[in-house]
Amino acid sequence: DTGVSQDPRHKITKRGQNVTFRCDPISEHNRLYWYRQTLGQGPEFLTYFQNEAQLEKSRLLSDRFSAERPKGSFSTLEIQRTEQGDSAMYLCASRPPFRQLNEKLFFGSGTQLSVL
Amino acid sequence: DAKTTQPTSMDCAEGRAANLPCNHSTISGNEYVYWYRQIHSQGPQYIIHGLKNNETNEMASLIITEDRKSSTLILPHATLRDTAVYYCIAVREPGSARQLTFGSGTQLTVLP
Repeated sequence: DTGVSQDPRHKITKRGQNVTFRCDPISEHNRLYWYRQTLGQGPEFLTYFQNEAQLEKSRLLSDRFSAERPKGSFSTLEIQRTEQGDSAMYLCASRPPFRQLNEKLFFGSGTQLSVL
Repeated sequence: DAKTTQPTSMDCAEGRAANLPCNHSTISGNEYVYWYRQIHSQGPQYIIHGLKNNETNEMASLIITEDRKSSTLILPHATLRDTAVYYCIAVREPGSARQLTFGSGTQLTVLP
């Protein structure tokens, strides 16, 4: 257990429905990342927060995707009008404030989304 | 960040050393080599990183060639729990907000 919690672990939805995932990072970590992973591939970066500010977004993050981190603690990732191509594992990661030159991310166990 | 190349899969006998290679021939002088692994149904886990010198921690050793064009992650006594996908990543500006770019990694299977 890395200390990063994601909820739910599994989500099955029908095409066209909206889904929301939650990530609770390690409490003192001010940086939070969302990644997406499809079968047989490595994780792909989606977006990054420093405190409550969303500082970077991937081109993978289409208009149907929105992420928030309202108080700089937990984060949510919402997908509107889901499509079958959205089926994937959605991973959250966090890291502490800048203290040393280290890219050590702490990942949660992910939310597995299946769109039927 | 430099592209890395890893074998798709490898097997290793339990109790033996697992040596996972990574090629990063275009790595620049300020790029670090990071290794993560991902056990099935879990998120990636940091293992080790290095710049020029060999590194060792409680999980593994990292050997980087003198020309820095390749590296090897060594698990000295592999166990069944080491079965996972291992990712080698070149990272510029560690400590910055830059995201990690994962490739497809090496599926290591430790055999009993």
